[in-house]
Amino acid sequence: DAGVTQSPTHLIKTRGQQVTLRCSPKSGHDTVSWYQQALGQGPQFIFQYYEEEERQRGNFPDRFSGHQFPNYSSELNVNALLLGDSALYLCASSSRGGGYEQYFGPGTRLTVT
Amino acid sequence: AQSVTQPDIHITVSEGASLELRCNYSYGATPYLFWYVQSPGQGLQLLLKYFSGDTLVQGIKGFEAEFKRSQSSFNLRKPSVHWSDAAEYFCAVGFAGGGGADGLTFGKGTHLIIQP
Repeated sequence: DAGVTQSPTHLIKTRGQQVTLRCSPKSGHDTVSWYQQALGQGPQFIFQYYEEEERQRGNFPDRFSGHQFPNYSSELNVNALLLGDSALYLCASSSRGGGYEQYFGPGTRLTVT
Repeated sequence: AQSVTQPDIHITVSEGASLELRCNYSYGATPYLFWYVQSPGQGLQLLLKYFSGDTLVQGIKGFEAEFKRSQSSFNLRKPSVHWSDAAEYFCAVGFAGGGGADGLTFGKGTHLIIQP
């Protein structure tokens, strides 16, 4: 049973560029949440997708957007990258109606130079 | 808005000694509560969870946590730590909305160091 997978593992971008991160949820899960974890901090909730719609959003600007596909996989897009966007981006999956626990992937390390 | 406080940034414990990591939350409703562990460069692994019922919950790797509503706390304990327990520990709270799990609010984490 595959867990949550994310790609790529690492990414280096330049200020002003755009980036797309990808996530495949755990088998049987239909909900995907994205988190940003800056160095030395706890993860911060970006947004959550269910049934291909954004259902909940944290305190992040519109530069952060996402998408969920019919197979439940998800993408996180960040436009106009800033140095402060450098962080570990974590994807978590859960099952709506199947419990409240979220299972996390290994993350994508984004470095903005 | 909800918040989670982990008052200890670093904790050093001798191998074989007992451990308690503190977590306090501020939340308008009865939350559901989690402890996660993160090893360097890795994602988060769920240790245990509290939704309702018995306030003492058992998790993986010999960890347990106790929910105390009167103190708004959810402290993590282990009777005897092993060197492999060295990691970053995060307390998280959430709320069940619309039939599913809402986005979680995390504390800043406690870095656990194990002395031989």
